[in-house]
Amino acid sequence: GQQLNQSPQSMFIQEGEDVSMNCTSSSIFNTWLWYKQEPGEGPVLLIALYKAGELTSNGRLTAQFGITRKDSFLNISASIPSDVGIYFCAGTHTGTASKLTFGTGTRLQVTL
Amino acid sequence: NAGVTQTPKFQVLKTGQSMTLQCAQDMNHEYMSWYRQDPGMGLRLIHYSVGAGITDQGEVPNGYNVSRSTTEDFPLRLLSAAPSQTSVYFCASFSDLPGLAGAYEQYFGPGTRLTVT
Repeated sequence: GQQLNQSPQSMFIQEGEDVSMNCTSSSIFNTWLWYKQEPGEGPVLLIALYKAGELTSNGRLTAQFGITRKDSFLNISASIPSDVGIYFCAGTHTGTASKLTFGTGTRLQVTL
Repeated sequence: NAGVTQTPKFQVLKTGQSMTLQCAQDMNHEYMSWYRQDPGMGLRLIHYSVGAGITDQGEVPNGYNVSRSTTEDFPLRLLSAAPSQTSVYFCASFSDLPGLAGAYEQYFGPGTRLTVT
């Protein structure tokens, strides 16, 4: 089955730096979602995007729905140690979130 | 993980054994899903439900059964466990996509870590 291409696979950054990650698909999605997962826990929804070109923020996180509808981007500004985790993108072709396709994840490590 | 509970948290099975992973939500969501997560991979959809009495297959349904007799509960059954089913299993509960307005709700449970020997 299809999985979304997510990059980079991992990042090691210093506290205070900005972070960018992206997700690409070979097919069009009509909804993009971004999640964070911490060790031993389930993913937590961060941001949902519903239309091409949309830019949405959640605190220090900003995500964009690419205008081609085949990609999405997540930026984290001024990273802090609690940003550590795995970030996943997910998308759906359909009108519901019943069938989500997930990316392979970006592992973020933040050093002091 | 608010509102979605999964039991057990850990389980070890022998090949050929069967078991049921429990999932319950208290948010009155119509939609629920089961995913598995393997090392280095994202989540893959096993089965999903769009309401009580309605279920459908996801990307990797073989070896698993589900039922949805109530809105709250969505158990996942392993019929005859195989080592390839060693994974972490997540249940999710969510609202419908709101389109251009409103808020979308989605919550994952804490997961069940299953090992099949």
